[in-house]
Amino acid sequence: ETGVTQSPTHLIKTRGQQVTLRCSSQSGHNTVSWYQQALGQGPQFIFQYYREEENGRGNFPPRFSGLQFPNYSSELNVNALELDDSALYLCASREGPGYDEQFFGPGTRLTVL
Amino acid sequence: ELKVEQNPLFLSMQEGKNYTIYCNYSTTSDRLYWYRQDPGKSLESLFVLLSNGAVKQEGRLMASLDTKARLSTLHITAAVHDLSATYFCAVDMDSNYQLIWGAGTKLIIKP
Repeated sequence: ETGVTQSPTHLIKTRGQQVTLRCSSQSGHNTVSWYQQALGQGPQFIFQYYREEENGRGNFPPRFSGLQFPNYSSELNVNALELDDSALYLCASREGPGYDEQFFGPGTRLTVL
Repeated sequence: ELKVEQNPLFLSMQEGKNYTIYCNYSTTSDRLYWYRQDPGKSLESLFVLLSNGAVKQEGRLMASLDTKARLSTLHITAAVHDLSATYFCAVDMDSNYQLIWGAGTKLIIKP
């Protein structure tokens, strides 16, 4: 069984640029959530996708957007990067929106200069 | 607005000692999660607590949930160095599986 994978591992961007982060869910999981974790803080929920539709969103501006593909992999896109977007971005998958346990990927460390 | 507070935020203890981490939350929820995070690493699920009075144990860790008091505890028994990590609790908001997280408790266990 393949776990949750994310790419890239690290990324450096400059303010104003756009970035796309990728996540492959664990086999058999159709629900993917994205989280932002700033250094020394707990994760913050960005949004969740189920069967290619966004079905939950946290308190993040519209420049944070996402996609889920038919194979349940997912992308997180961030436009007009700001310095405060520097964080660890975590993807988590679960068997379905009604399942309690979710499994996290290794994360993508984004640095905005 | 649902808030989740953990305490202590930092804990340094000796091997062999017992201690408890507390997680308080501000509104009704029946789902609480505990995760472990090692430095620079992702989050590892430890416990999922789904009802009032739920108690789960794994090795030297035991978690409990009191939904009436809006309190969960993570108890460490006879701590060992390998348990050094940051521990997070997270609460399900509005039963739609959006988790609200505590700030984390950084645990250092000295030999």
